[in-house]
Amino acid sequence: KAGVTQTPRYLIKTRGQQVTLSCSPISGHRSVSWYQQTPGQGLQFLFEYFSETQRNKGNFPGRFSGRQFSNSRSEMNVSTLELGDSALYLCASSFNMAGDQETQYFGPGTRLLVL
Amino acid sequence: AQSVTQLGSHVSVSEGALVLLRCNYSSSVPPYLFWYVQYPNQGLQLLLKYTSAATLVKGINGFEAEFKKSETSFHLTKPSAHMRDAAEYFCAVSDSPGANSKLTFGKGITLSVRP
Repeated sequence: KAGVTQTPRYLIKTRGQQVTLSCSPISGHRSVSWYQQTPGQGLQFLFEYFSETQRNKGNFPGRFSGRQFSNSRSEMNVSTLELGDSALYLCASSFNMAGDQETQYFGPGTRLLVL
Repeated sequence: AQSVTQLGSHVSVSEGALVLLRCNYSSSVPPYLFWYVQYPNQGLQLLLKYTSAATLVKGINGFEAEFKKSETSFHLTKPSAHMRDAAEYFCAVSDSPGANSKLTFGKGITLSVRP
């Protein structure tokens, strides 16, 4: 079974631009979560989508948004990029079976550099 | 809210020596705990997880962790370090079991293995 895939793997943008990152979950997984990883703040939860609905959200400004499609693929968008948005963005998918603690499987990440 | 503390940012051991990476958690409900490993330029890989089934959890690559409620700890150990174990290790706690879960990560510990 193929793992979580993320595209692109690397991205360079300039301040003020916007960016869209894509995540394809493991086949059959319905939950997709996004995390930001930086040297200073570590791994921080951005948001989680399940069945095309945002179920959980971290403490990030509204410039960070996302969506999920009917095939469970998810996109994350960051508008008006700032230098501090430079980070590794990780996507994780899980089967999310009720009553059982699902495991989140992570993709390789998209490394975003904002100049 | 749940939180995880990983004391120290760097651990160095000799090849063949015991590996001990510490993790303490704070949770108002029975926690779900995880250890992930991140190799350079890669995403996170699950090493093991605690979901209340057994206090001693065995994971991949010879790692194991013991859940100690009285000490609020979930330390990761491996009897004999190998060069390939050099990576960054993250302890994480789930926000809630099952649906709507998100992971709260510790700051991570970099493990170096000396020849």
